[in-house]
Amino acid sequence: AQSVTQLDSQVPVFEEAPVELRCNYSSSVSVYLFWYVQYPNQGLQLLLKYLSGSTLVESINGFEAEFNKSQTSFHLRKPSVHISDTAEYFCAVTPFGNEKLTFGTGTRLTIIP
Amino acid sequence: SQTIHQWPATLVQPVGSPLSLECTVEGTSNPNLYWYRQAAGRGLQLLFYSVGIGQISSEVPQNLSASRPQDRQFILSSKKLLLSDSGFYLCAWTFKDRGLSYEQYFGPGTRLTVT
Repeated sequence: AQSVTQLDSQVPVFEEAPVELRCNYSSSVSVYLFWYVQYPNQGLQLLLKYLSGSTLVESINGFEAEFNKSQTSFHLRKPSVHISDTAEYFCAVTPFGNEKLTFGTGTRLTIIP
Repeated sequence: SQTIHQWPATLVQPVGSPLSLECTVEGTSNPNLYWYRQAAGRGLQLLFYSVGIGQISSEVPQNLSASRPQDRQFILSSKKLLLSDSGFYLCAWTFKDRGLSYEQYFGPGTRLTVT
């Protein structure tokens, strides 16, 4: 079985400051990794994913995440946040060949003007 | 392109009343379908998933049930709602052929309040 840990339930950050949202996972098999974003009262949208290849993956809106196999982590970072980044962020994993995603409990990112 | 719809968007129901939430996917065929519940501060809980018509897997024992009467239609039901059924219900789908895509695509959700 897999598990995902997002230790920070809430992260307040000043506008234009950098941010890192932490994600650690546990799995006995290889996994694919995802970050989803949820704006208030909306469904989840895929932010970025790691399937294979380069361990650093980027999104179109400036977020990036790095897969670290030895530390079983997939932390999400952005060098300068904006008010529009206020949302809840979920890390998720799925084993190769499995139909199900396992989600973390989410991190609520609040941007302070 | 593919789209996923959920209705209703919001619902207020009394305890003990029945429930029916509907999810439909357009623009693809034979998807895998999923129902999640999101309670405040508790992340996403997978309730049911389906790999085909009439094929339902239940993840959590509860008073909810799911059905898939058509290829791209997924229904979440209850005969008698409990207060603890309140939450945000999300439907999602994936391609059956994982070589096409590995992520799940989510609908807009239904906010259910049981009073």
